Amino acid sequence: AQKVTQAQTEISVVEKEDVTLDCVYETRDTTYYLFWYKQPPSGELVFLIRRNSFDEQNEISGRYSWNFQKSTSSFNFTITASQVVDSAVYFCALSEGYNTDKLIFGTGTRLQVFP
Amino acid sequence: DAMVIQNPRYQVTQFGKPVTLSCSQTLNHNVMYWYQQKSSQAPKLLFHYYDKDFNNEADTPDNFQSRRPNTSFCFLDIRSPGLGDAAMYLCATSIRDWNYNEQFFGPGTRLTVL
Repeated sequence: AQKVTQAQTEISVVEKEDVTLDCVYETRDTTYYLFWYKQPPSGELVFLIRRNSFDEQNEISGRYSWNFQKSTSSFNFTITASQVVDSAVYFCALSEGYNTDKLIFGTGTRLQVFP
Repeated sequence: DAMVIQNPRYQVTQFGKPVTLSCSQTLNHNVMYWYQQKSSQAPKLLFHYYDKDFNNEADTPDNFQSRRPNTSFCFLDIRSPGLGDAAMYLCATSIRDWNYNEQFFGPGTRLTVL
């Protein structure tokens, strides 16, 4: 069965600290996709990144970086030098195979960045 | 800008009174989704349309229906809202092609049931 686990319910940091949000997934498929979404207080889910199972390269986008490790079934998200605007709930999600439209979301991690 | 629009942003209805939530998109995506998100929980997929093909999740209550009259619009109908249906309802779109593409979400409609 497919499952996404975000063990950290809530994290609080002070501005400029680095923070890592953990994501562990379970799937039996060899082809799958992983995502991270940000949900600020306004409610809209904002797409951050997509990674397919054949691409284990880590990715950096500005202050954001992602570490994908198939050996540990993890897809962790790091924010460097956090800012107050990073405060949001972050969801990791999984989709299996081609032409499957269902996203399996983790329960989310609420990040609070204090000034 | 191309986007996903949901109206209204806030909706109040009475117990048992039918309500319709609206979603439109300017992205010309062929898949549209409806999610229910209760407080402090992950979004839960209710159903989706691939073009005109309707796909219902097995655990979606019969109380929830959907219509997609054209590519741009999709509606969520709640026939007899109960107190447990109070939630944020999120609409999303994506392109289904040879790849699996990300879903783009609207701002949501927060439903209150009195």
